[in-house]
Amino acid sequence: AQSVTQPDIHITVSEGASLELRCNYSYGATPYLFWYVQSPGQGLQLLLKYFSGDTLVQGIKGFEAEFKRSQSSFNLRKPSVHWSDAAEYFCAVGARNNNDMRFGAGTRLTVKP
Amino acid sequence: EAGVTQFPSHSVIEKGQTVTLRCDPISGHDNLYWYRRVMGKEIKFLLHFVKESKQDESGMPNNRFLAERTGGTYSTLKVQPAELEDSGVYFCASKPLTGQDLDTQYFGPGTRLTVL
Repeated sequence: AQSVTQPDIHITVSEGASLELRCNYSYGATPYLFWYVQSPGQGLQLLLKYFSGDTLVQGIKGFEAEFKRSQSSFNLRKPSVHWSDAAEYFCAVGARNNNDMRFGAGTRLTVKP
Repeated sequence: EAGVTQFPSHSVIEKGQTVTLRCDPISGHDNLYWYRRVMGKEIKFLLHFVKESKQDESGMPNNRFLAERTGGTYSTLKVQPAELEDSGVYFCASKPLTGQDLDTQYFGPGTRLTVL
């Protein structure tokens, strides 16, 4: 069965520091992987997605993620966090043209000034 | 282009009452999805429409939940009667059926439902 684990419920980083949010997935076929972000009062916004090809994918707002098949991971990174990055981040997995995505429980990011 | 919209943004009702949530997908998106997030848990799939037809409703928790999409445009999700465990955030998402960008679902802001 497909599933997603985000081990960190809450992370606090200082503004300007680097960030890595962890995501591990379980999927029986080639996974399609997504990272979404939800800022307060906003909908889920797609940050980036991975389907195939280069395992390091670039997204919006300076985020990137690396697909590691051997580790079943798709961790999200940002070299320098801004206060506006404070939000909740969700990792998701699905199939191509997926109609049944599975999400992790989310990681809440707090940014200290 | 307008995104997915949901109404209301918040709803507080008492146990036993009825609530109807509405979702307006992005114009032209034939696929429409409902998800729910119970506090602190993962976002879970509820059901999927293709136009006005239910493609998959395997995630619907029980028969107190009824989703409709008459005319294949907006969708409603009715909870009747509501129970305490129905509290959570209900998300709607949509994506096109043909053309480009078939792999990405676009989400609305969600409706926060509180059942007292």
